[in-house]
Amino acid sequence: DQQVKQNSPSLSVQEGRISILNCDYTNSMFDYFLWYKKYPAEGPTFLISISSIKDKNEDGRFTVFLNKSAKHLSLHIVPSQPGDSAVYFCAASGEKGMKTSYDKVIFGPGTSLSVIP
Amino acid sequence: NAGVTQTPKFRVLKTGQSMTLLCAQDMNHEYMYWYRQDPGMGLRLIHYSVGEGTTAKGEVPDGYNVSRLKKQNFLLGLESAAPSQTSVYFCASSYGQLYNSPLHFGNGTRLTVT
Repeated sequence: DQQVKQNSPSLSVQEGRISILNCDYTNSMFDYFLWYKKYPAEGPTFLISISSIKDKNEDGRFTVFLNKSAKHLSLHIVPSQPGDSAVYFCAASGEKGMKTSYDKVIFGPGTSLSVIP
Repeated sequence: NAGVTQTPKFRVLKTGQSMTLLCAQDMNHEYMYWYRQDPGMGLRLIHYSVGEGTTAKGEVPDGYNVSRLKKQNFLLGLESAAPSQTSVYFCASSYGQLYNSPLHFGNGTRLTVT
């Protein structure tokens, strides 16, 4: 059973508009969440993260929101650009009180974003 | 500034053959990881290492072995390849625990087992 879910395999957005990528998790003990971006034939690269003590983290055009009660996070990209077209992976790490669990990251299946010029 | 380098980039094996995937990082990172990526499954952790000489099992370790004899290298071995091991394999490294040190990935090895 997947602990990190991304229920939209793909998403298309017009250039300049907002892209919203969603992620749900099942383990309420997860303590840290990350988003990675992946272009074809390349490895994933880190994009942005958020700790469970926060509900929002912003970095330029990218903002991640965390709703702990709903076990849901989302990545907002504003404005979207053609270069943002990639696969986005949501990931979770750490279980509160278990130090060694931070050694592992659980990834979701990914959402393929297409930004149309 | 190479970062994380994986060799080979592509490989085709017959069922029952063995091979070793090599991962090298030049960032002096303590932690290293092997993931596999399959359609609809995301990235699943095979094995990882928290330092030279250490290894630990991840989510899907069966059929794989690893070694970390040198800090900069992390080897993934398939002793007897099976078609279910057809996948894209990614190596990653980080300097510390993941809450304060994101993963740096290599560009992957595409393995096909026939």
